[in-house]
Amino acid sequence: QSALSQPPSASGSPGQSVTISCTGSSSDIGGYNYVSWYQQYPGKAPKLIIYEVTKRPSGVPDRFSGSKSGNTASLTVSGLQAEDEADYYCTSYTGNSNLVAFGGGTKLTVL
Amino acid sequence: QLQLQESGPGLVKPSKTLSLTCLVSGDSIRSGSFSWGWVRQPPGKGLEWIGTVSYYNLSLKSRVTIYLDSSKNQFFLDLSSVTAADTAIYYCMRQGMTTAIDHWGQGILVTVSS
Repeated sequence: QSALSQPPSASGSPGQSVTISCTGSSSDIGGYNYVSWYQQYPGKAPKLIIYEVTKRPSGVPDRFSGSKSGNTASLTVSGLQAEDEADYYCTSYTGNSNLVAFGGGTKLTVL
Repeated sequence: QLQLQESGPGLVKPSKTLSLTCLVSGDSIRSGSFSWGWVRQPPGKGLEWIGTVSYYNLSLKSRVTIYLDSSKNQFFLDLSSVTAADTAIYYCMRQGMTTAIDHWGQGILVTVSS
């Protein structure tokens, strides 16, 4: 069982916005601004798309944005495109020797 | 450009030790700004952080060793006493100070079976 909780699925139509949540506790998400998000296509390695809650690595479209409120982090994909259909995972620093916790992943479907 | 490449056996017998190598090119693993480690993904399931040289997933800690060979710019994973539950795609990775994993290998499927 994952330490961070994500909805197993999310969906939206092209052009719409969709938000994926990632819920933890005060020991991880709520305690640190070290939340990351990853995009993974089938058969491929994950790719970092958000780090430190809101920052985007170079080359990641600004359609992807991150935020945090309390113990819950969120990834918003605006202006959905067919290529956004993938699995998305959140992680957080946990403040102990376990260091990094993953969410269970959310499969995003573009209708 | 930084690249990571996993190698190792694709099949390991139960109770044996799974051993993988990650060859790094385009950056020195001596860099103090990053950690080097492993993540795994059972077929059809989610990602699990295994650990870095300095920190291990507590659920695997008794069976995991991650270590470096700076002279060859590569690092390693040993996972002992494996069972079928350890069957997964194993990714080597580079992790930043704030735990963001900014580079990944392509992954290697390791099956535990007799």
